[in-house]
Amino acid sequence: GENVEQHPSTLSVQEGDSAVIKCTYSDSASNYFPWYKQELGKRPQLIIDIRSNVGEKKDQRIAVTLNKTAKHFSLHITETQPEDSAVYFCAASFTGTASKLTFGTGTRLQVTL
Amino acid sequence: DVKVTQSSRYLVKRTGEKVFLECVQDMDHENMFWYRQDPGLGLRLIYFSYDVKMKEKGDIPEGYSVSREKKERFSLILESASTNQTSMYLCASSLAREAGELFFGEGSRLTVL
Repeated sequence: GENVEQHPSTLSVQEGDSAVIKCTYSDSASNYFPWYKQELGKRPQLIIDIRSNVGEKKDQRIAVTLNKTAKHFSLHITETQPEDSAVYFCAASFTGTASKLTFGTGTRLQVTL
Repeated sequence: DVKVTQSSRYLVKRTGEKVFLECVQDMDHENMFWYRQDPGLGLRLIYFSYDVKMKEKGDIPEGYSVSREKKERFSLILESASTNQTSMYLCASSLAREAGELFFGEGSRLTVL
C-alpha cells in the first residue's frame, strides 16, 4: 500500500516569513495529492490539492508543487500570518481506489509575532 | 454547506465494552470513512465505504467493524474495547468514488479505561 512521509514534524517561523512542508510517497500510481489544515480543536479542512497532470498550483499565499519523478510534493506558504498556525497534513491516493487517502504524520506550524 | 455529524464528542468506556460511534452526512455523498488520529501518527484509515452495505478495510481494521445500512449513515463498532483503542476518531465523507475532497466531522474522543 501507499506510504507517505512528511517533514518536518514541527516548524516555527516568524510572521511574514515563508514556510515549506515536504512529503514523499511510495506508490508511483498515486495521482491525487491534497493538503489539509487542522486548527487546534477543529476538524481537518482541505486547503489545496493537486493532481498528477500538473506540476504546480497556487491559491493566494499557498502553493503546492509536485515532482512525480522523485515522488515528492511540497506545500509553500508565503507571508505567514498568526492564523496560519495549525497542523498541516499531506495525503496521497490513487484515483481508482474510492479516494482512499493515505495521510502523512502532520506538521505543526507555529507562526510567531 | 456539507455537514458531517458525529453522535458523541466524548466517550469514556471500560475495557471489554461494545462501543458504537455514529456518523451522519447530509449531502448525499457516496463515500464515507473512519479515521483514527493519534499524536505523531497522523490520520490512519480504519474502514471506508463507497456504497450502501459495502465496506472495505483500511490500513488498521483490526479490532473494528463498520455498518452502512443507509447512504447517509456510517457506524464504527468496537466489539470489545481495549485501552489501545483510546484515540480521536474522525468520520469523513466525499462526493464521488474518484479522489476528491474529504469533509470531516468534529471527531469523537474515546477513552477506554
